[in-house]
Amino acid sequence: GAVVSQHPSWVICKSGTSVKIECRSLDFQATTMFWYRQFPKQSLMLMATSNEGSKATYEQGVEKDKFLINHASLTLSTLTVTSAHPEDSSFYICSSQGASYEQYFGPGTRLTVT
Amino acid sequence: KNEVEQSPQNLTAQEGEFITINCSYSVGISALHWLQQHPGGGIVSLFMLSSGKKKHGRLIATINIQEKHSSLHITASHPRDSAVYICAVPQGGSEKLVFGKGTKLTVNP
Repeated sequence: GAVVSQHPSWVICKSGTSVKIECRSLDFQATTMFWYRQFPKQSLMLMATSNEGSKATYEQGVEKDKFLINHASLTLSTLTVTSAHPEDSSFYICSSQGASYEQYFGPGTRLTVT
Repeated sequence: KNEVEQSPQNLTAQEGEFITINCSYSVGISALHWLQQHPGGGIVSLFMLSSGKKKHGRLIATINIQEKHSSLHITASHPRDSAVYICAVPQGGSEKLVFGKGTKLTVNP
């Protein structure tokens, strides 16, 4: 199957700082990328959907000014958590979808805000 | 909205046993995903299937579109298969996925 990478795999940051997470589709062109968040012992929750070259669509309850998504190319999307707070500590996962509508998941990024 | 039910919620097996995890959904779909999440959190896409059966190594996934049901089988289970297995389906008329709550599998040596 296709490969999706995320960087970093884990990050610790101080409260009030911003953190950028990258999601790359390594061997196919992703027309759509999805960003998910997973709190301990819970299911993945969709945060936003991004299409290359256009603004992301955020799910209800997700602050677009806090979670900035950029999908500037068909192989790269970034999620920036701005002014992070301890409650933003979570596991962030992206998935990439190509023209065939198959979705491939990245390995995830564990964010800890101290 | 599609509702996804997985069973069992937890499963403990002895090494070598045949494992079956079930997933049912409420709305007809184009394809269903099976994912594996290890204790460290990383997610691996195991299968995406829209009909019939797919096999990869010791893993087999089947789907019955009419009954809105899928199963994931693991043959000759091994402790390294211990993980949470999640099924996911499109949210009815959308490319967004709805996830089951997962089945936590523990395989003891």
